[in-house]
Amino acid sequence: QQQVKQSPQSLIVQKGGISIINCAYENTAFDYFPWYQQFPGKGPALLIAIRPDVSEKKEGRFTISFNKSAKQFSLHIMDSQPGDSATYFCAASSSVDSSYKLIFGSGTRLLVRP
Amino acid sequence: DTEVTQTPKHLVMGMTNKKSLKCEQHMGHRAMYWYKQKAKKPPELMFVYSYEKLSINESVPSRFSPECPNSSLLNLHLHALQPEDSALYLCASSTSQGAREKLFFGSGTQLSVL
Repeated sequence: QQQVKQSPQSLIVQKGGISIINCAYENTAFDYFPWYQQFPGKGPALLIAIRPDVSEKKEGRFTISFNKSAKQFSLHIMDSQPGDSATYFCAASSSVDSSYKLIFGSGTRLLVRP
Repeated sequence: DTEVTQTPKHLVMGMTNKKSLKCEQHMGHRAMYWYKQKAKKPPELMFVYSYEKLSINESVPSRFSPECPNSSLLNLHLHALQPEDSALYLCASSTSQGAREKLFFGSGTQLSVL
């Protein structure tokens, strides 16, 4: 119930292409869905986040699509660049749970080829 | 200043050693966290301090001992660790425990236990 399932495990995209990473969850109490980007040797950094009252959020080249009925959300990276090569983690948390603990997906290693 | 500073960046220790990891933030955040991250895995929550009081202990073995001396500092004391404790230890902070949108991670301490 607490899991967030992320796919694919790894992804190779050509420069300029679209990168798509998918996540699915079971706990309907989740009400906050962030995506984190992590470069080697660095900590994760918040990239973009969405709440279930909207179906899409866009920030620059990064878009989250959210499907509440399917309990799925995805990250789209438009015009992917070599500098986007990193590991991406989706996550979810619930304000019903007083700990507000983030439940992370397993991660996707993205490689953008020049 | 939106930075969480962790020292040291790298640490090698034997199983009988005692060492400490340090974390500092000057953003006025009142919640601070320790996460453990194994290679190619997502971060795992270890401890949460809220207003300098231990709020969450995720059943972490007693060989890990957290300490929050003041609102800007967080330490993790290590004693009698096992080789399987080798990992990246991440500190994070947020304005409060529920402020999920403002969670900042440090770059981590890469720990190797021999």
